[in-house]
Amino acid sequence: ELKVEQNPLFLSMQEGKNYTIYCNYSTTSDRLYWYRQDPGKSLESLFVLLSNGAVKQEGRLMASLDTKARLSTLHITAAVHDLSATYFCAVDPSRNQFYFGTGTSLTVIP
Amino acid sequence: NAGVTQTPKFQVLKTGQSMTLQCAQDMNHEYMSWYRQDPGMGLRLIHYSVGAGITDQGEVPNGYNVSRSTTEDFPLRLLSAAPSQTSVYFCASSGSGSTQYFGPGTRLTVL
Repeated sequence: ELKVEQNPLFLSMQEGKNYTIYCNYSTTSDRLYWYRQDPGKSLESLFVLLSNGAVKQEGRLMASLDTKARLSTLHITAAVHDLSATYFCAVDPSRNQFYFGTGTSLTVIP
Repeated sequence: NAGVTQTPKFQVLKTGQSMTLQCAQDMNHEYMSWYRQDPGMGLRLIHYSVGAGITDQGEVPNGYNVSRSTTEDFPLRLLSAAPSQTSVYFCASSGSGSTQYFGPGTRLTVL
């Protein structure tokens, strides 16, 4: 059974601090996706990582992929309140059948 | 482009009733999927389609049917609603090997 695990599940961090969310998956996949979901809203694509060693950055968020370790990280730099949301990673090993992690609920506090 | 649209946004059903959740996309995407989202469970794949006329089951298909007669539309049918189907349903579409684009969701309550 394919598993996608994220940790932590809940994260409360102070503004200005750095932190990393981890995404482990149990099958071979050369691409990984990160999404953001605000409360009561739909999912929005953040990053598409297409190969081993891929790194993408957007503002205070940086995502990386290690396909050999089956691990992706989402690093948050100098957190601000606007980053409060739930973050999901997903893999599609057989192309267009996506498997999602359970999500990391991030709260940034002043 | 409207992207991915879903109707209705909210629905309340009684146990045993049937209904269809509508999903449409205007991006000419080959791939479309239906997910349900429950607290603490992430998104679980119900059914997906790789093109018109082709559908397949996902992780949690029981109690749901789909069809894909056109590239644009991918309706999800609840055959006989049960309280366990109370959830938020998302439709998504993607091009080959690309990220998924999600609709706004349908919040379904089954009494």
